[in-house]
Amino acid sequence: SQTIHQWPATLVQPVGSPLSLECTVEGTSNPNLYWYRQAAGRGLQLLFYSVGIGQISSEVPQNLSASRPQDRQFILSSKKLLLSDSGFYLCAGHRGSRSLRNTIYFGEGSWLTVV
Amino acid sequence: AQTVTQSQPEMSVQEAETVTLSCTYDTSESDYYLFWYKQPPSRQMILVIRQEAYKQQNATENRFSVNFQKAAKSFSLKISDSQLGDAAMYFCAYRKLGGSNYKLTFGKGTLLTVNP
Repeated sequence: SQTIHQWPATLVQPVGSPLSLECTVEGTSNPNLYWYRQAAGRGLQLLFYSVGIGQISSEVPQNLSASRPQDRQFILSSKKLLLSDSGFYLCAGHRGSRSLRNTIYFGEGSWLTVV
Repeated sequence: AQTVTQSQPEMSVQEAETVTLSCTYDTSESDYYLFWYKQPPSRQMILVIRQEAYKQQNATENRFSVNFQKAAKSFSLKISDSQLGDAAMYFCAYRKLGGSNYKLTFGKGTLLTVNP
């Protein structure tokens, strides 16, 4: 069963507009959470990760930012979108089960097209 | 820095036959985890199989098995009795052991086509 949810599933935004993608986690507490981006025909690139409320680490310099206002909520934002921000965004996290703590699970993904 | 290389951008297999997807990685760590994820057309990333580097025994999950060669830093995925539902993009991923980050490093993926 799905434990990581993200929305919206699809988004078309004009250049210069703001962005907010939301991710929530069910069934575990104090998870590590991640935002990945997958550009067309390429692998996954880690954008941000968070080990707790208010703790954000950025992996690459970019036009995006992330926030973690609650334990099970992770938000990806931008004040002004660029064309290059288009892509498929995946939220990920790890489950609390001891046997699965080393495995990262993914949400359904969000398609962002900047026009 | 760790890198993961999948040298086969695309592969195809006949239904019911066996196919092997290749993955190599580069790391200076001695303990780590390796994973294969499947991404079908829905784009959902699904864990297929995982391997702990400290275990010599190759992991197996039903029709999926790996050939883990630690010295060669190779981690291939074998799919037996291929089914149409196996058609997807497959990603190899690495994570070092320990720490609180759990960050995954991915290869660029192999697109698997299953022919009926």
